[in-house]
Amino acid sequence: KQEVTQIPAALSVPEGENLVLNCSFTDSAIYNLQWFRQDPGKGLTSLLLIQSSQREQTSGRLNASLDKSSGRSTLYIAASQPGDSATYLCAVAPNAGGTSYGKLTFGQGTILTVHP
Amino acid sequence: KAGVTQTPRYLIKTRGQQVTLSCSPISGHRSVSWYQQTPGQGLQFLFEYFSETQRNKGNFPGRFSGRQFSNSRSEMNVSTLELGDSALYLCASSTQGYSYNEQFFGPGTRLTVL
Repeated sequence: KQEVTQIPAALSVPEGENLVLNCSFTDSAIYNLQWFRQDPGKGLTSLLLIQSSQREQTSGRLNASLDKSSGRSTLYIAASQPGDSATYLCAVAPNAGGTSYGKLTFGQGTILTVHP
Repeated sequence: KAGVTQTPRYLIKTRGQQVTLSCSPISGHRSVSWYQQTPGQGLQFLFEYFSETQRNKGNFPGRFSGRQFSNSRSEMNVSTLELGDSALYLCASSTQGYSYNEQFFGPGTRLTVL
């Protein structure tokens, strides 16, 4: 059974800092890994999707890396801003021969607070 | 292109009642997945529908059911509500529902059971 863990559970940083969020998964048989952002009481916004064959993806100030063999991914946020404050979730899609339709396994999330 | 929409956004029910939630996927997407999010358990997969057929199901009791219509819109029903069913219910759509298809999430329905 796939388990996804995110560390730290919460993080508070001053504006302008570069920061790293960690995600680990127990079963390396994944098809891809996705990072999401969730604002309080809202839905999920996709930030980055990394295919299992890729090592990293970049979008603006965000960079996500994937080491499938060790079961780890990191989300790097450069020059953090108060508007980055949210919960960040990682989720893995299994490589189960196409039978695990629609199922993502999520970590518990990292609550990020960036203060001015 | 319009995103995934969910209605209603908020619901308050009492124990023992039943509830129906609706999800309209992105145009052209035929797969709809449902998730339950609670502070204790996080995001958990409920089920997935494609072409009006349930193809995958998570570990939830039979009180949780769903269906999908020919226009790909999906509904989720919870019968005999319990206090523990209070949660944010999210649906996601994708083109085909395979692992390599990116999923796009709606804003969620916040269900409170009193």
